[in-house]
Amino acid sequence: DAGVIQSPRHEVTEMGQEVTLRCKPISGHDYLFWYRQTMMRGLELLIYFNNNVPIDDSGMPEDRFSAKMPNASFSTLKIQPSEPRDSAVYFCASSVQHYGYTFGSGTRLTVV
Amino acid sequence: GIQVEQSPPDLILQEGANSTLRCNFSDSVNNLQWFHQNPWGQLINLFYIPSGTKQNGRLSATTVATERYSLLYISSSQTTDSGVYFCAVYTGGFKTIFGAGTRLFVKA
Repeated sequence: DAGVIQSPRHEVTEMGQEVTLRCKPISGHDYLFWYRQTMMRGLELLIYFNNNVPIDDSGMPEDRFSAKMPNASFSTLKIQPSEPRDSAVYFCASSVQHYGYTFGSGTRLTVV
Repeated sequence: GIQVEQSPPDLILQEGANSTLRCNFSDSVNNLQWFHQNPWGQLINLFYIPSGTKQNGRLSATTVATERYSLLYISSSQTTDSGVYFCAVYTGGFKTIFGAGTRLFVKA
């Protein structure tokens, strides 16, 4: 198995632009999680899905953030419009039930 | 909400030394995981260990759920063990809370 695949690995964008991060979970995993990691706040859960359905998005910081999971093999996290304070590493993770996460390699987002 | 505290916050070891990392949590948990974030930023699942003891090579972990702590043992440390070790607990509703991590540097 190729593991959890995230793209792009790095993204540099200008303030105000739309940013879309992508994630392909491990086949057969029924939970998908989006995390954000910063030096100040550590790892924060933004949203998670169960069988493609968003279950808890209370960690999404603002309405500028949205996430979708149109099918079992693909999810996106979108920021529109982006701001410099959104700069962070965004991780996607998947799991079977809650029996251990597997994380993707992350997307390092820089908003200038 | 539940509090997760890891100690020590920073640790420097000479290659070959052993170490113990600790994770305390303030309430009952349904599961607990240990992760290693390497210097390249990759987060690697080490153990899923809601209770008991597990071993994987030079690493082992013990969780005593009734006393609300978990320990991660690293034996014969290597430079490749450097990075940040996170403890993460899940209390229900599938919200996992991460500790602040222990930053480990192993000197050659």
